[in-house]
Amino acid sequence: KNQVEQSPQSLIILEGKNCTLQCNYTVSPFSNLRWYKQDTGRGPVSLTIMTFSENTKSNGRYTATLDADTKQSSLHITASQLSDSASYICVVSNQGDYKLSFGAGTTVTVRA
Amino acid sequence: DVKVTQSSRYLVKRTGEKVFLECVQDMDHENMFWYRQDPGLGLRLIYFSYDVKMKEKGDIPEGYSVSREKKERFSLILESASTNQTSMYLCASSLQGIGTEAFFGQGTRLTVV
Repeated sequence: KNQVEQSPQSLIILEGKNCTLQCNYTVSPFSNLRWYKQDTGRGPVSLTIMTFSENTKSNGRYTATLDADTKQSSLHITASQLSDSASYICVVSNQGDYKLSFGAGTTVTVRA
Repeated sequence: DVKVTQSSRYLVKRTGEKVFLECVQDMDHENMFWYRQDPGLGLRLIYFSYDVKMKEKGDIPEGYSVSREKKERFSLILESASTNQTSMYLCASSLQGIGTEAFFGQGTRLTVV
């Protein structure tokens, strides 16, 4: 069964600090992996997409990494801001299937 | 700007009522999806559609049905609402193809009492 596991479930960080979120998956055959940000009361919005051949991709203060051999991805948030408070969801797609596999998300709270 | 619009942000319905959740996208996307989101479980696929009048069951279709009469509109129907269907419902759309980006609506928080 295709699964996506995220850790930690939640974390609290001080404004200006960095943090890293983890995503492990068993989806196969792998097509791509996206990180989505979901603000409270909103739908998820895509931050980055990683394909099999990509190791690192940045979007502003967000940097995603992918290790396709170990089936792990991380999302690093640099110099966190209050607006980074949200749930971050790892989403993996496999080849030949419309279905997406979602992690349960990591809730990040940034405090002043 | 890409837009997926869900008809209601919040709904309160009684047990046994028939409930309609509407979703409209303006991007001419072929694929449309309905998910429910519950704490600790992530998003789970209820139904998806890859073309007008076409539909396929997702992982948790029981108690739900869908309708797609026009390309831009995808409706989720709860035939007889039950309290265990209290949840956040998210609609999404994407271009045809595998692994294309899904664009989500703002969600409908449904409470069944």
